[in-house]
Amino acid sequence: GAVVSQHPSRVICKSGTSVKIECRSLDFQATTMFWYRQFPKQSLMLMATSNEGSKATYEQGVEKDKFLINHASLTLSTLTVTSAHPEDSSFYICSARDFGRDYNEQFFGPGTRLTVL
Amino acid sequence: GQNIDQPTEMTATEGAIVQINCTYQTSGFNGLFWYQQHAGEAPTFLSYNVLDGLEEKGRFSSFLSRSKGYSYLLLKELQMKDSASYLCAVGDSNYQLIWGAGTKLIIKP
Repeated sequence: GAVVSQHPSRVICKSGTSVKIECRSLDFQATTMFWYRQFPKQSLMLMATSNEGSKATYEQGVEKDKFLINHASLTLSTLTVTSAHPEDSSFYICSARDFGRDYNEQFFGPGTRLTVL
Repeated sequence: GQNIDQPTEMTATEGAIVQINCTYQTSGFNGLFWYQQHAGEAPTFLSYNVLDGLEEKGRFSSFLSRSKGYSYLLLKELQMKDSASYLCAVGDSNYQLIWGAGTKLIIKP
């Protein structure tokens, strides 16, 4: 149980285009999902916390107009990188928290590797 | 501020034992997690400690001392596949996970 999927796993796009990444909790309801970014050889950086039915909470330094987050249902959150540029190339990982469990473990999706040309 | 410290890199020999330490200072405490992350992959859950003491799970064990703000992950009978980064994370008062920078573990034959 507690499986999180992410789609696509890999995307290559031209500079200026927008890219949407989906994060789904497959066998549990996730009222809260998290979006992380990880550059090579660096640790996870939390970008935003996505709460179902409400606006996402963005970490300091993360542009909310550039990284649009929508959490329309208890099993789906999407991250849209708008007008992507080469510096947005990174590994984007989502995680979801299952409040049905005793503790607040985060279950991670497999990640999406974004390359902007 | 909130801070998680762990060594940047460690090297160990196949078959040996290695201990990865993590110290933390956070606003509130709602458990400490250890995750394993292989290069190019997402983190996978290893262990969770919320009470003081040692939690053992096969070749991996995790220890917590809340009074000292200290945890360690102990890996026994090291295998080459254990080469990965090990991330320490603490749940704060808002149940957010505060992440350490990770410890890259290199296993040598």
